[in-house]
Amino acid sequence: SQKIEQNSEALNIQEGKTATLTCNYTNYSPAYLQWYRQDPGRGPVFLLLIRENEKEKRKERLKVTFDTTLKQSLFHITASQPADSATYLCALLMDSSYKLIFGSGTRLLVRP
Amino acid sequence: IAGITQAPTSQILAAGRRMTLRCTQDMRHNAMYWYRQDLGLGLRLIHYSNTAGTTGKGEVPDGYSVSRANTDDFPLTLASAVPSQTSVYFCASSREEGEKLFFGSGTQLSVL
Repeated sequence: SQKIEQNSEALNIQEGKTATLTCNYTNYSPAYLQWYRQDPGRGPVFLLLIRENEKEKRKERLKVTFDTTLKQSLFHITASQPADSATYLCALLMDSSYKLIFGSGTRLLVRP
Repeated sequence: IAGITQAPTSQILAAGRRMTLRCTQDMRHNAMYWYRQDLGLGLRLIHYSNTAGTTGKGEVPDGYSVSRANTDDFPLTLASAVPSQTSVYFCASSREEGEKLFFGSGTQLSVL
């Protein structure tokens, strides 16, 4: 069956360090992948989109990579800040259905 | 600009009762979606609409119905609520199907 895996354990890092979150998928050939941020009690907010023919995408302190051979995306936050603490969700778009399928998310805690 | 408005914010409902969750967007987006979010399971698509007048089933449509009479509104109805429908419900929209999603703030529904 189709599956998207994100680390269910929270990632706890020191302020200033780089946070790296992982999104693995099986049995998919996604057209592209998106990353969202979700704060407690709020809806997810779109951060970045990376297409299958792109290796890397950057936006300010954020960087996303997409390896279709490994079926994996990595999401990096450099110079992390306590305000970056949130849950980060990856989502895949399937060409055939044009619907987004979400992972369950990884919680990031940045200690001051 | 409000974006996406969901109502109510929260609701406690007796099993067997009928309930409609409201969703309105003011961005003139063509596509709208309903997701439910449960701990450990992530966001799961219930129903979607690619344009006014059309709807489709997502991953978990049973027990739910939707309508899309116009561009702005996309209500979700639980005809006879059951405790397994206790969840946080998010409405989302995108300019076109497959593009980045804009989410509402969610409705916390408890069915007792």
